[in-house]
Amino acid sequence: GAGVSQTPSNKVTEKGKYVELRCDPISGHTALYWYRQSLGQGPEFLIYFQGTGAADDSGLPNDRFFAVRPEGSVSTLKIQRTERGDSAVYLCASTTRGGRDTGELFFGEGSRLTVL
Amino acid sequence: TQLLEQSPQFLSIQEGENLTVYCNSSSVFSSLQWYRQEPGEGPVLLVTVVTGGEVKKLKRLTFQFGDARKDSSLHITAAQPGDTGLYLCAGAGSSNTGKLIFGQGTTLQVKP
Repeated sequence: GAGVSQTPSNKVTEKGKYVELRCDPISGHTALYWYRQSLGQGPEFLIYFQGTGAADDSGLPNDRFFAVRPEGSVSTLKIQRTERGDSAVYLCASTTRGGRDTGELFFGEGSRLTVL
Repeated sequence: TQLLEQSPQFLSIQEGENLTVYCNSSSVFSSLQWYRQEPGEGPVLLVTVVTGGEVKKLKRLTFQFGDARKDSSLHITAAQPGDTGLYLCAGAGSSNTGKLIFGQGTTLQVKP
């Protein structure tokens, strides 16, 4: 479809393992955001890309989290040495322009991560 | 730190009733958005309010931005089962990156 696509939709892993979550934004959207949503909570900002560069990574909780967007389209969120507290739904959103005049954000369905 | 507090967190009402959801902060936001999220899906934008005191209507939904741009409300008239979902308010943060500060959400259940 034409929306934001996230894979996998569900990921179950063991504590200490490495995981990658992929986001394929809407074609032509230069701005891409990652959010994390824990059960019963609103989404929490993680990182913002404008093109290929991370313009704001202030929401990444620690250095186990890293994200890339090498060609300015698909983005991958990488989590090393997963912990049980990392369990959440990871949401990706894209928009035509980011920054102060951000347009409407289009969210994907999210990747549900469960760390056992 | 900018925070948004939503109330109530849970609301269960009968079809046809009216309801109001509140979103409050001690911080000023340049704009505020309301989203609706259904289980297993991402949030979907309902409205953006920008000007203090602004009122926007979307069918049976009325959104208001406080005069001081610190708070907002969502009022639903004659709620229907199809309105069931998680309602989230989100404010544009103080940075220039467009990141959103979300409230914790209000879960609405409308019973037929």
